[in-house]
Amino acid sequence: EVQLVESGGGLVQPGRSLRLSCAASGFTFDDYAMHWVRQAPGKGLEWVSGISWNSGSIGYADSVKGRFTISRDNAKNSLYLQMNSLRAEDTALYYCAKGKGGGTTYAFDIWGQGTMVTVSS
Amino acid sequence: QSALTQPASVSGSPGQSITISCTGTSSDVGSYNLVSWYQQHPGKAPKLMIYEVSKRPSGVSNRFSGSKSGNTASLTISGLQAEDEADYYCCSYAGSSTFKVFGGGTKLTVL
Repeated sequence: EVQLVESGGGLVQPGRSLRLSCAASGFTFDDYAMHWVRQAPGKGLEWVSGISWNSGSIGYADSVKGRFTISRDNAKNSLYLQMNSLRAEDTALYYCAKGKGGGTTYAFDIWGQGTMVTVSS
Repeated sequence: QSALTQPASVSGSPGQSITISCTGTSSDVGSYNLVSWYQQHPGKAPKLMIYEVSKRPSGVSNRFSGSKSGNTASLTISGLQAEDEADYYCCSYAGSSTFKVFGGGTKLTVL
């Protein structure tokens, strides 16, 4: 079964850091691009960051550029999001999503259930 | 990169057809045939319904169809059913720096 399982969310103070992880199973992880998409409570979806199959292409939303870093470990079938200098507006459910292909142009065909990040003092 | 523009809500009766629009710019929707649509039920993860403007993933009903004209993409749902009631989001590829941009979402109510 194709599955994505996020972890690492929690309550964190403004200005602090958090690292999210996404464990993939049921498919050949290193064939596909991966992304992080977030959804603030009661709000819509926002693309956060994406990485191609070989980490050769990486992109970020303007709202997180310079603060968040995406990475992947194909040997461990895992995707990561290092989030620094967190702000209240980063509070959201963070989804890990698989691209339909190896490049970053493809649609998101598999989604995890999300991990909640709450930034508050 | 600004979000794509979708109507906040649409509604229809069972059996009817509805269309949700998604308006972007010449930098995203207008430049690439890489628009996708996602269905999200309350408390659930999004589900891919349409990709590359008009392609349906395996398992998605043929009642769902997509199209594009200029900077505007559209999702049409025919033969509305109660289970179609959900939020729908469009998404477009937006270039090699900011890869993706979503629409604000449309709440579909089946009357």
